[in-house]
Amino acid sequence: NAGVTQTPKFQVLKTGQSMTLQCAQDMNHNSMYWYRQDPGMGLRLIYYSASEGTTDKGEVPNGYNVSRLNKREFSLRLESAAPSQTSVYFCASSPGQGTYEQYFGPGTRLTVT
Amino acid sequence: RKEVEQDPGPFNVPEGATVAFNCTYSNSASQSFFWYRQDCRKEPKLLMSVYSSGNEDGRFTAQLNRASQYISLLIRDSKLSDSATYLCVVNRGFKTIFGAGTRLFVKA
Repeated sequence: NAGVTQTPKFQVLKTGQSMTLQCAQDMNHNSMYWYRQDPGMGLRLIYYSASEGTTDKGEVPNGYNVSRLNKREFSLRLESAAPSQTSVYFCASSPGQGTYEQYFGPGTRLTVT
Repeated sequence: RKEVEQDPGPFNVPEGATVAFNCTYSNSASQSFFWYRQDCRKEPKLLMSVYSSGNEDGRFTAQLNRASQYISLLIRDSKLSDSATYLCVVNRGFKTIFGAGTRLFVKA
């Protein structure tokens, strides 16, 4: 089992460019999450998907969109990147249905210049 | 005020020491509680869930006090490999709030 995988590992964008971060899990989990981590701020929830077919905003959703493509995959899209979106992005999954411990992917380091 | 607050440390302790981390949360509707550890430039990894009755996993003991809205983690007999950042995490359903973390350095 690979657990949670994320692509790409690193990305540099220019302001205004768009990109999609990919995430997949092979643990048959119902719920998936996207976070960003900035120095001194801890992880902040961007969006989550409680189950296939549903998505909801987290704490910092502005500037992002998500797609729960199927039970395994949950993508995060930046439509017009800004320097403030320079961060490390983590995807996570959890069993759901009342069980919330989360398992994380290795992260994507994004720099927007 | 942050919803989940932790002492940022760093805590510098010798091998074999006992060290305790504290965390407070402000929303009394919080339902689930966890400790994660995060190594430098790596993803967070689940260390243990936290229950009101207290729970232990080897050298690690976690405690929850709902009345005081306080969570603790005790590490006994510290190892060099325990050096990491420890994250306190609180859930309200799917809304997950991470503390900023407490850094621990264990020295030989």
